[in-house]
Amino acid sequence: EDKVVQSPLSLVVHEGDTVTLNCSYEVTNFRSLLWYKQEKKAPTFLFMLTSSGIEKKSGRLSSILDKKELFSILNITATQTGDSAVYLCGVPHSQGGSEKLVFGKGTKLTVNP
Amino acid sequence: EAQVTQNPRYLITVTGKKLTVTCSQNMNHEYMSWYRQDPGLGLRQIYYSMNVEVTDKGDVPEGYKVSRKEKRNFPLILESPSPNQTSLYFCASSLSGASASYNEQFFGPGTRLTVL
Repeated sequence: EDKVVQSPLSLVVHEGDTVTLNCSYEVTNFRSLLWYKQEKKAPTFLFMLTSSGIEKKSGRLSSILDKKELFSILNITATQTGDSAVYLCGVPHSQGGSEKLVFGKGTKLTVNP
Repeated sequence: EAQVTQNPRYLITVTGKKLTVTCSQNMNHEYMSWYRQDPGLGLRQIYYSMNVEVTDKGDVPEGYKVSRKEKRNFPLILESPSPNQTSLYFCASSLSGASASYNEQFFGPGTRLTVL
């Protein structure tokens, strides 16, 4: 059975801290892994990762994929209160021309001033 | 403006009363999908559609129906809603789901459904 597991499920830090969020997966026919940020509304796209070892970066956020060990990490440096959100990891499962998308349960990040 | 719209945004209904949540996208996307989000369970895919007239079950399809008669619309139908379908529902679309690398999904604003 395909699964995506995120850890930790919840994290509380202070502004300025650096955090690392984890996503491990077991999905057949792996093609890509997606990270989303969800504040009090719809998820918004952060990164799509397809190749091992290539870091994707956007400001203070970065992410990397390890296809051998089947995981990805999302790093946030110098956290701000605006980074408080649920971070979702999703992995498409491709089979016979169809594509389901399986998400982890998310990591709830709280950044305190 | 490129967007995914859902209606209604909020709905309170009673057990057994059929309802439809509409979803529309204006980006000419092939792939559309419905998710439900529940506390502690994350986002779970209900149904998805690779293109017009092509739909398939996600992980939690029981109690739901969908149709894809036009590329832009993907309504979610609850024929006989029950209280366990109380949830936050998201529609999403992407350019294509069946490609060498999966495309970014754009999410609608969500529909909060309460079934009494």
